[in-house]
Amino acid sequence: AQTVTQSQPEMSVQEAETVTLSCTYDTSESDYYLFWYKQPPSRQMILVIRQEAYKQQNATENRFSVNFQKAAKSFSLKISDSQLGDAAMYFCAYQGAQKLVFGQGTRLTINP
Amino acid sequence: GAGVSQSPRYKVAKRGQDVALRCDPISGHVSLFWYQQALGQGPEFLTYFQNEAQLDKSGLPSDRFFAERPEGSVSTLKIQRTQQEDSAVYLCASATEGFYEQYFGPGTRLTVT
Repeated sequence: AQTVTQSQPEMSVQEAETVTLSCTYDTSESDYYLFWYKQPPSRQMILVIRQEAYKQQNATENRFSVNFQKAAKSFSLKISDSQLGDAAMYFCAYQGAQKLVFGQGTRLTINP
Repeated sequence: GAGVSQSPRYKVAKRGQDVALRCDPISGHVSLFWYQQALGQGPEFLTYFQNEAQLDKSGLPSDRFFAERPEGSVSTLKIQRTQQEDSAVYLCASATEGFYEQYFGPGTRLTVT
């Protein structure tokens, strides 16, 4: 079975600074997708960024980028120029065939 | 367009009561998922539908949990004889065929007293 591990329960960063959230996963599959989701206190899960395992190029979405290391099974999220609105729980997730497997989450606090 | 909606947003049930949680997916999305999120945890998979067919129910924690999607659109998650350990947020997500992204609803917070 696939597992996803987020080893940082909480992180904090100064506004406008850069922060990196860590994620590792375990799978025997070669074809899969990886995601970072953001969950604010309102509970709505919002997709931040997606990475296809067959792509070597790291995904980027505006201030959000990933460092995907397939051999190491590592998938970290970098947030540049942090903003107050980035404060939320962040979940790393793995998708093989259909269902998502989530990590435990990292609570990100932005200090003004 | 409209996103995934769930109702009710909050539900309080006495232990032993039956509850029904509703999910309205995005129109045209053939895939529908239910997840359970305990307080402070990541969501965990419960069950998956493709149209009206329930293709995977391996995550349902007991036979008290039942899900249906009779017309391939709206889905209902039913929990019979609720227990305190059922207290959680229940998230619904939908996706297109050949999906790359699941779109989540706001969830239903169930509290069993």
